[in-house]
Amino acid sequence: SQTIHQWPATLVQPVGSPLSLECTVEGTSNPNLYWYRQAAGRGLQLLFYSVGIGQISSEVPQNLSASRPQDRQFILSSKKLLLSDSGFYLCAWTHAYRGHSYNEQFFGPGTRLTVL
Amino acid sequence: SQQGEEDPQALSIQEGENATMNCSYKTSINNLQWYRQNSGRGLVHLILIRSNEREKHSGRLRVTLDTSKKSSSLLITASRAADTASYFCATDAREYGNKLVFGAGTILRVKS
Repeated sequence: SQTIHQWPATLVQPVGSPLSLECTVEGTSNPNLYWYRQAAGRGLQLLFYSVGIGQISSEVPQNLSASRPQDRQFILSSKKLLLSDSGFYLCAWTHAYRGHSYNEQFFGPGTRLTVL
Repeated sequence: SQQGEEDPQALSIQEGENATMNCSYKTSINNLQWYRQNSGRGLVHLILIRSNEREKHSGRLRVTLDTSKKSSSLLITASRAADTASYFCATDAREYGNKLVFGAGTILRVKS
């Protein structure tokens, strides 16, 4: 069966510090991978998605970047955090065929980031 | 831009009652999905309805889709306290490629 891991679960960082959030998927290959941010009480904002190793699509201009160094690993990074980067970060994956997603997305448990 | 818009934003009902949440969207879709999120957790997929389907059931869940009105509804029958969560619709549309576009969600509270 497939599982998705995210860590850390919670993180408190000072403004201007770097960030690295990691997401890994087990039990599947060639998934499409997604990073979302969710503000308190709000819906999900898609930040990045990837259809393959080294292939990253950015959805909104921001202080963050993403990388996919391995098939089942997706990393969200920042060189200098801003207060506005606080939020709940969710990683998700979906089955894909030749890069095209189909059916439902499977979400990780999330990382709660607080920037002070 | 947000494709799906849920209403109501919040819903409070007594255990045993039915809960109905609605979702409207703007463009032609391949499918529409409903997800549930418990507080502070990841989203869990509930049900997917394709554009050529009008109704789908899964346990106590019933989803309808009206493509002419670009709307969907999620009905939870005989609600339980454990159904308390946020519910999101998400649309899969050709013009959005490999992405799902989520609505802002409905917060459901079931009181025991």
